[in-house]
Amino acid sequence: QKEVEQNSGPLSVPEGAIASLNCTYSDRGSQSFFWYRQYSGKSPELIMSIYSNGDKEDGRFTAQLNKASQYVSLLIRDSQPSDSATYLCAVTKAAGNKLTFGGGTRVLVKP
Amino acid sequence: NAGVMQNPRHLVRRRGQEARLRCSPMKGHSHVYWYRQLPEEGLKFMVYLQKENIIDESGMPKERFSAEFPKEGPSILRIQQVVRGDSAAYFCASSPGDRGNTIYFGEGSWLTVV
Repeated sequence: QKEVEQNSGPLSVPEGAIASLNCTYSDRGSQSFFWYRQYSGKSPELIMSIYSNGDKEDGRFTAQLNKASQYVSLLIRDSQPSDSATYLCAVTKAAGNKLTFGGGTRVLVKP
Repeated sequence: NAGVMQNPRHLVRRRGQEARLRCSPMKGHSHVYWYRQLPEEGLKFMVYLQKENIIDESGMPKERFSAEFPKEGPSILRIQQVVRGDSAAYFCASSPGDRGNTIYFGEGSWLTVV
C-alpha cells in the first residue's frame, strides 16, 4: 500500500465547473497536509495547507480533511483552463519532517 | 517558489561524469530537502538536511549519491559516475523547521545524462 494515494487521472472538467480531487494516506500519525500544483516542466507550487479536520477555503480552492477516514480532498470551483495541471497531495508526520507525495492527479479544464 | 535558489537549472553530463547540484534555501530557513522526479513520475524524497547534519537520508540511493549542507554556503547534491537513469528533475525545498511550517520548492535542476 502506498503511503499517499491519488487517482492519476486525467480528470476532465468543463470550464466553470467544480473539480474534485481526492487523496488517501496510510499513516495515522500524519499531521500536516498540503496540496501542490505542478505545471509540466515546472516545480511544485503550494496551493493549500490544512492541519485540522474540516474545511479550509482560499479563493476558489477548498481543502477538506477527515483524519478518521484518512483522506484529504481539494475542490476547485469555477475551474479555468489555467487550472490544468497536476495536483499533488503531500503529508508530513511532524513539522520539519519530509513531505511524502502522492503520484498526483492530472486535471484538464476544457473551454 | 520565490527564495529557494537552485543552480544550475539545466545540466548535461556524459555517463561516468559527476553532477553537482546546488541549493540555497529561503532566507531564515534552516532545513533543506532534496526530491527527485523521474519523467512522468511523482516526487520522491531523497534526503533531509539541517546545517552540518543529515537528518534523514532514507531516500538516497546507497551508492554514488551524497548530500551536504555546510555551515556556510549552499546545500549540494552530488551524483558520482552518472548513468542514464539519473536523468531527472531534482528539486530542492526548504522550511524554517518549526511546527506546522510549510515546505517551499525551488525551480529545480534538470539533469540529462547522455
